[in-house]
Order: sequence, then C-alpha cells, then structure tokens
Amino acid sequence: ETGVTQTPRHLVMGMTNKKSLKCEQHLGHNAMYWYKQSAKKPLELMFVYSLEERVENNSVPSRFSPECPNSSHLFLHLHTLQPEDSALYLCASSQDFPAHYGYTFGSGTRLTVV
Amino acid sequence: AQSVAQPEDQVNVAEGNPLTVKCTYSVSGNPYLFWYVQYPNRGLQFLLKYITGDNLVKGSYGFEAEFNKSQTSFHLKKPSALVSDSALYFCAVRDGGGATNKLIFGTGTLLAVQP
Repeated sequence: ETGVTQTPRHLVMGMTNKKSLKCEQHLGHNAMYWYKQSAKKPLELMFVYSLEERVENNSVPSRFSPECPNSSHLFLHLHTLQPEDSALYLCASSQDFPAHYGYTFGSGTRLTVV
Repeated sequence: AQSVAQPEDQVNVAEGNPLTVKCTYSVSGNPYLFWYVQYPNRGLQFLLKYITGDNLVKGSYGFEAEFNKSQTSFHLKKPSALVSDSALYFCAVRDGGGATNKLIFGTGTLLAVQP
C-alpha cells in the first residue's frame, strides 16, 4: 500500500453506463493527477489538480469528467465511453514544493469498456 | 520544453549479469530526475531520484543511477539482475514550467531478466 488508494481495482462497463473512479490519499499532498495508460502507449496525463483547483486539462474528451472535492479525494466520472477508452487509469499525488518532490501512485483501475 | 527519452523499448539480460536501462533528458535549468518501476497491473513505484550532489544515486532493491550532466543522461543500473527485476521502468524529469510540480515521463523500457 503506497498511501494512494484507488477503487475499484477492476471495472467493466457498457458504452451507455455511467461510473466513477475514486482516488484517495492521506499523505498530506496538495496536488493530484489522473493518468491513462494504454497498451504500447506512453503514459497520458489527463488532469492535474493543485490545491483542489484544476490547473491542467490535456484535451481530454468530455466523456471524462474529473472532480476534486478536497485535497484528499479525486474522482473521474465516466459516461458514454468508447471501447478505445479501455485502459489502466492511474491516480497520483504529490506536493507542489519542494520542486524535487516525486509522485506517489495508486495501483490503478483496470477499465474495460464493452 | 522539458523532455525525457528512453531509447530502448525492451532490454534483455541474463540473471546475475549487470543491467543498464538508458535515459536521456532535456531541460532548460537544473534537472530533477526520477526512476519508477511498474509491475503488471500495478501503479508506478518510486525507485530513486537525483536532486543535486553525488552523481551516483542509490535506490531501492539494489538499483542505482548515474547522473551525467555532459551527456544529459541518467541511466539506471544494477550490478546483478534478478528474475524478479523483470518489469516496466520509467524515467522522469521535473518540468520547471507550469503551476505544479509536473513530472514528464519517458515511454518506458521493459526489462526482461532470463533465468
């Protein structure tokens, strides 16, 4: 256990479903991130939150909707997904400063869209 | 813009032999460099980082990395590979731009250690 908990670990959903991924950290970090990891592709940074404000949104389709209600929790709401959205979704947290602070990752949610 | 490159998609090594996983970087200022490891269906785990000082950084599981400023490299090394070291390895550099402590990751190198 790294201190960053992601639930569920596995999720199978139909293209018309609505589901949410949850990430929780109790490390006292003030920044949280969503990454998408697809087979044979680089890690894709999706969203960045710092002090609960969204500071980056890397051209992610609107069918992915993030929410950060407080510094310990991060959600990714999913609706009308496509099969190509099947991937491992990783959450990470960090401190903005000092600058050399690394990330702590959760174990990920393996999403399959059918 | 900051970037990091891992030139090898896969590295194969026999158990007991030394291993090297290569990483080169590009930053405008002083780099903060990291190595992470990922086992199947798991998140990335921190191995080690370079901030300043000694160019040889020691990390978890017997891994070390050598910072070379003139070659802008930060190669990951281990004197004697284990089958259990087989995993996906990511190099990362801190992006000095932007409002947050954003790490830029390489594409990953799959390390396969044969018994």
